[in-house]
Amino acid sequence: DAKTTQPTSMDCAEGRAANLPCNHSTISGNEYVYWYRQIHSQGPQYIIHGLKNNETNEMASLIITEDRKSSTLILPHATLRDTAVYYCIVRVSSGYALNFGKGTSLLVTP
Amino acid sequence: NAGVMQNPRHLVRRRGQEARLRCSPMKGHSHVYWYRQLPEEGLKFMVYLQKENIIDESGMPKERFSAEFPKEGPSILRIQQVVRGDSAAYFCASSPSQTETNYGYTFGSGTRLTVV
Repeated sequence: DAKTTQPTSMDCAEGRAANLPCNHSTISGNEYVYWYRQIHSQGPQYIIHGLKNNETNEMASLIITEDRKSSTLILPHATLRDTAVYYCIVRVSSGYALNFGKGTSLLVTP
Repeated sequence: NAGVMQNPRHLVRRRGQEARLRCSPMKGHSHVYWYRQLPEEGLKFMVYLQKENIIDESGMPKERFSAEFPKEGPSILRIQQVVRGDSAAYFCASSPSQTETNYGYTFGSGTRLTVV
């Protein structure tokens, strides 16, 4: 699976959009981009995934660049409960293991 | 619908003792995955099991660690003769099938193992 690079930490004001970047320059054509988050002391929570089209669900939007070498997770109106570590993971669709890196620690402030 | 249930939530063992961690997958899920999270680290895949079968144990330490998922009952991750370095959070996830992991696993709340 391709390697991903994320900033170590980010801050966001409550109510504003949180934009979390991820670089995956070695991604292959059959690899998906997944986002999970881990709120302190809890199990990881699936957020969203995509292949090449932008995706949106009730939690977030995923914007993937045309060359697929990077992506951005957008939380449109961040709340204090969105404070968590966010993991960007690349994986083939036929795979099952997720390789969690260090992720981005997002702090949402009042 | 109950989620993935792990117990105990916290487990303290002395060096040399055995640790048994249990995971009951979501109803209808027959695929179980174990991950370990060392302090200040991301989660690392350990093992993938289906009922009565180990599919992939490439992330398991070669010694002292074993996993099973019997026909009846929860999946068990067993650590024999624990050492301080085994102190970590152990998470279990489940899915209805391997292909449906495309839509995300469901993780349990984890078992925090402390070896003293």
